[in-house]
Parts: sequence; C-alpha cells; structure tokens
Amino acid sequence: KAGVTQTPRYLIKTRGQQVTLSCSPISGHRSVSWYQQTPGQGLQFLFEYFSETQRNKGNFPGRFSGRQFSNSRSEMNVSTLELGDSALYLCASSLQGSNYGYTFGSGTRLTVV
Amino acid sequence: GESVGLHLPTLSVQEGDNSIINCAYSNSASDYFIWYKQESGKGPQFIIDIRSNMDKRQGQRVTVLLNKTVKHLSLQIAATQPGDSAVYFCAEKPSGYSTLTFGKGTMLLVSP
Repeated sequence: KAGVTQTPRYLIKTRGQQVTLSCSPISGHRSVSWYQQTPGQGLQFLFEYFSETQRNKGNFPGRFSGRQFSNSRSEMNVSTLELGDSALYLCASSLQGSNYGYTFGSGTRLTVV
Repeated sequence: GESVGLHLPTLSVQEGDNSIINCAYSNSASDYFIWYKQESGKGPQFIIDIRSNMDKRQGQRVTVLLNKTVKHLSLQIAATQPGDSAVYFCAEKPSGYSTLTFGKGTMLLVSP
C-alpha cells in the first residue's frame, strides 16, 4: 500500500511570504502529526489532527497552523515566514495515534531566503 | 542529501560488528517507545517499537531493550552492514497522549 505522501518535496520562499504544505496519510490512517526538523533543535512536534480536529499542539507560534480534511489529508500553513523557519517538515500518520507505529513521509524541505 | 543533524553523537563500527545505540528518555509516564532510522534526504523509517510492559523485543537483526528504572532505551543491531549507516532516533509517547517526543539522535557510521 502507498506510504505517506508529502508535497512538495522542496520549496524556496522569501521572508514574509506564506506557505502551505500537504500530507496524504496511509489509507485508513486517521491521525496525522506534523514535525519540524532542524539541525539545531532536532525533531519537534508541531500539531496532531485526528478526524479533522486538532488534538494536540506543540510549542510553536500562531504563524504555524494546520487542518485536516474529511479524507484525512492534512495541510499545514506557515504565514509571515522567517529565516528560522527553514527546516524539513515531516508528516507522520497512524491508525489512531496511540500506541501504534507512526509512519513518516519523506518531508518537505523548506528554505526561506 | 541534507544533513539531519550537526554535532550528533557518532558511533563508528566495522561491518559485521554488533552495534548498540543508547537513548535516555525523559518522561517516566511514557508507555510506548519507537526507534527510527533516518537516511540523508529521507524521512524517519520505523525500525522497531516496544511497549512499557515489556523489557525486550526482537526483530530481524535488531533488539530493543527498555529499562524503566533508569529511563533508558537501547537498540542493538547485529552484524551491522554499510546500509545501516544513518541517524537513529528514539521516540517516546506519554501515556494518554498521542504525540511523540524524539531524542537528539545518534549517527551510526559503518565502514566496510
């Protein structure tokens, strides 16, 4: 079966712009989590969606937002981009988000210039 | 590919050796743990998981050990191969929550 699909793979944006990243989970998976990965901070949790509802949120500013659609696909949005937002953004899906394996996509590499 | 981490602890082994990667986790309430492997330019790949009611679990060439007393997790890789070279992360999930907290990662370098 298809894995977790993230689009686009690479993105270059200018400071102040906004960006939308997309994640399609494994078929049947209803939980989608987003993580930011940087060399300095490692993998940090952004938010988790389950059945179109945000269930958990990490410690990121309000410029970071997300949503989940009825087909479990999820998007995250970052507004007013800053240079420090340059990172690999990873999406993980799981059946219920609790004590089940979380499968990651390949990520979207965002570069803010 | 892009680097997933600078100044990571590094374990260098020879092909055929057994490797042990360690992880100290932070939350005594965590009830589920996962080891991931991440190769350059790719997302983390699930290796093996373990629940808190177990202290050992074996997979193909890999074994995870959990010591809840000292909040320590280890990943043992038998007969390490060059293809095992990657960054390895442990992740923990607190009971009642559905989010993972990741460790900083260890880079494993396997030389032929």
